[in-house]
Amino acid sequence: GQQLNQSPQSMFIQEGEDVSMNCTSSSIFNTWLWYKQEPGEGPVLLIALYKAGELTSNGRLTAQFGITRKDSFLNISASIPSDVGIYFCAGQGWGAQKLVFGQGTRLTINP
Amino acid sequence: DAMVIQNPRYQVTQFGKPVTLSCSQTLNHNVMYWYQQKSSQAPKLLFHYYDKDFNNEADTPDNFQSRRPNTSFCFLDIRSPGLGDTAMYLCATSKRGVRKDEQYFGPGTRLTVT
Repeated sequence: GQQLNQSPQSMFIQEGEDVSMNCTSSSIFNTWLWYKQEPGEGPVLLIALYKAGELTSNGRLTAQFGITRKDSFLNISASIPSDVGIYFCAGQGWGAQKLVFGQGTRLTINP
Repeated sequence: DAMVIQNPRYQVTQFGKPVTLSCSQTLNHNVMYWYQQKSSQAPKLLFHYYDKDFNNEADTPDNFQSRRPNTSFCFLDIRSPGLGDTAMYLCATSKRGVRKDEQYFGPGTRLTVT
């Protein structure tokens, strides 16, 4: 079945630093979604990507849909304490009825 | 605001005692999903409804059932919970048939089986 490799698994950074995480797939996706999940809450959709090469921003967050359709990255600039959480990528193939999730990147920020 | 609501937020049940979790949505989405999420893992799809059509994942235990009486509500029934069913249960919705098939999650129900 389809698999997503998300890296890194965890990050420990200083407040103000930039963050980068990525996902790679063994197969082509037509949709890439990035979610953030805080403890005890459901995932919240941050950015949705639908076109190869697409670069989309949401405030300090920027995500890109890879040209090969097999990868995506998420960047966070100038991190702040409320960025702490687990970030999941998720991909969906054309006509597929479900998302494939990455394993998550746990972000910890030292003030 | 349009949203996905889950009740209760926390549920404790005894081993073998049936439990029902509920999800409602005001997004008027035609697809509703149930996921199980264990600690530090990605959500795992249990099943979903596309309108009234039920779609079960191959590895979802028979112990897990679902009902969708109308567009807005969906229920997860666990007939005989085991200790291994302790997890966060997430409901999500999407509007299939449009280009942007994005899933929106509720806040989750944290279930503890004792």
